[in-house]
Amino acid sequence: GDSVTQKQGQVTLSEDDFLFINCTYSTTTYPTLFWYVQYPGQGPQLLLKVTTANNKGISRGFEATYDKGTTSFHLQKASVQESDSAVYFCALALNSAGNKLTFGIGTRVLVRP
Amino acid sequence: EAAVTQSPRNKVAVTGGKVTLSCNQTNNHNNMYWYRQDTGHGLRLIHYSYGAGSTEKGDIPDGYKASRPSQENFSLILELATPSQTSVYFCASGDARDWGVGRYFGAGTRLSVL
Repeated sequence: GDSVTQKQGQVTLSEDDFLFINCTYSTTTYPTLFWYVQYPGQGPQLLLKVTTANNKGISRGFEATYDKGTTSFHLQKASVQESDSAVYFCALALNSAGNKLTFGIGTRVLVRP
Repeated sequence: EAAVTQSPRNKVAVTGGKVTLSCNQTNNHNNMYWYRQDTGHGLRLIHYSYGAGSTEKGDIPDGYKASRPSQENFSLILELATPSQTSVYFCASGDARDWGVGRYFGAGTRLSVL
């Protein structure tokens, strides 16, 4: 079945460090891919959406590029701040599945001041 | 401002009891979703709806029912609650501008079934 894999359970950084979160996916067709961010005590927020048409998404200093060759959709940010501490979820949606999202298990990012 | 409001925020239920989780959105979105979040599983889709009167099964619908009486309201019903349904539940709404998927999530309902 369709799946999304986030292998990094937790990433610990210092302010101004580079953030890279790995996400790979497995489907039989080309999906639309999403990154969500969840701050403590809140629901997830949509951070980025990328389709095969545009290949890259940028929002709030975060960037993700859709690589069909390696079926990956990594999230990166050049310089993190303490306020970026949150859980980040990669997710995919397939046209054939309507509007359903399949989420990864999430990566907890802790940014130390 | 777009909003999704869930009630209650916290709920303690007894095994075998009936639980209803409510969700209201002011975004005028056609699509609404119920997810549960558990450590090690991310978010998993329980039920969703394309509009008033419609409910569809998600990936883990067993033990849950859903009701969409209006554009604004979407409820999740546990007829016979079990301890395995202890979790955090999130409601979301979305429309075609975001490819229909959940764009705005509520703050969640923490449910404990004892």
